[in-house]
Amino acid sequence: DVKVTQSSRYLVKRTGEKVFLECVQDMDHENMFWYRQDPGLGLRLIYFSYDVKMKEKGDIPEGYSVSREKKERFSLILESASTNQTSMYLCASRPQGGGSPLHFGNGTRLTVT
Amino acid sequence: QQQVKQSPQSLIVQKGGISIINCAYENTAFDYFPWYQQFPGKGPALLIAIRPDVSEKKEGRFTISFNKSAKQFSLHIMDSQPGDSATYFCAASIGAGSYQLTFGKGTKLSVIP
Repeated sequence: DVKVTQSSRYLVKRTGEKVFLECVQDMDHENMFWYRQDPGLGLRLIYFSYDVKMKEKGDIPEGYSVSREKKERFSLILESASTNQTSMYLCASRPQGGGSPLHFGNGTRLTVT
Repeated sequence: QQQVKQSPQSLIVQKGGISIINCAYENTAFDYFPWYQQFPGKGPALLIAIRPDVSEKKEGRFTISFNKSAKQFSLHIMDSQPGDSATYFCAASIGAGSYQLTFGKGTKLSVIP
């Protein structure tokens, strides 16, 4: 079974802090994604990466950056956390090519106070 | 044009009943329509997917119906069970391998005994 592990289940940070959310997958998937989930808004794509060191903006990249130095690890960075970034963050991975589903982690619930 | 509109936002169904969740899209280039199921505390997982060359796909108690001319697709859960209680997301993309999967806003289904 594919395992996508997000390092923290819950995280509380203060406004202005630099925040790192880490995600590791164990299936050698080329593609990795960061989504944000908010009630009534569904899942929105923040950034994705199709290969090591490659990244592309999704629908809501403002206020975020990402890093992918190794194939199995994809980090989401909040340079200066703000209260409107309080949310559930979901990491996903998928092999390259069509027809394969996204495999999601269980999420990190971030609260910015 | 990239939106996927999902309804209802929440749904309560008696055990044994039929649960129906509807989605509509505008972008006629969409050609891959998956449904994801999310249990509390877990990440979403692929439930079933359909392409527009078929009007219906069935997997066990779960059926996707697809109406290309109306640009609508729906999920039917027959003989709904309390274990089906979850949040369901429809989604659409251009190609199954697309990086950009557009999600609906989700439907919280509660199946009561």
